[in-house]
Amino acid sequence: AQSVTQPDIHITVSEGASLELRCNYSYGATPYLFWYVQSPGQGLQLLLKYFSGDTLVQGIKGFEAEFKRSQSSFNLRKPSVHWSDAAEYFCAVATNQAGTALIFGKGTTLSVSS
Amino acid sequence: EPEVTQTPSHQVTQMGQEVILRCVPISNHLYFYWYRQILGQKVEFLVSFYNNEISEKSEIFDDQFSVERPDGSNFTLKIRSTKLEDSAMYFCASRGLAGVETQYFGPGTRLLVL
Repeated sequence: AQSVTQPDIHITVSEGASLELRCNYSYGATPYLFWYVQSPGQGLQLLLKYFSGDTLVQGIKGFEAEFKRSQSSFNLRKPSVHWSDAAEYFCAVATNQAGTALIFGKGTTLSVSS
Repeated sequence: EPEVTQTPSHQVTQMGQEVILRCVPISNHLYFYWYRQILGQKVEFLVSFYNNEISEKSEIFDDQFSVERPDGSNFTLKIRSTKLEDSAMYFCASRGLAGVETQYFGPGTRLLVL
């Protein structure tokens, strides 16, 4: 069965510093990969997704993620973090079957210090 | 931009009571989902719905749960006899027909069972 691991429960980054949030997945074939962000009291907003093609994908709010098949990873990056980026970040995976559910990681809480 | 809406935003109920959570998916979407997130835990899949029937469900989705699309716009989740452990944020999501497209999430309903 597929699974998602986000090894970091909580990360604190200084405003203006770079960010990398880790995500590893377990799935036999190439999965469809997503990063969602959840601000306090809000729903889940899609940051970016990877289905196929270029392994470096760009998302909203200046985020990008790189799919590395050899490492079964899909890490999220941002070159310069803003205070408004403080939120919880979820990595999710889906198989290529129509209608399939998303499997989420446990999430990483990002705090931004000034 | 079209979005998924959910009502109510918050609901408090007594243990043993029935609750109905409502969702209005994006209008041209055909796959519908319910997920839940217990406080401090990851988002978990409950059920997916397509062509007026359940296409997939998780172990969480037992006989106490049911889903319905009563008309052309609403998608509901009913919990027949709520338990304390049903307290969670419930998210509705929808997606289009072609391939494995992105699931768009609503803002959630915070359910508190006392």
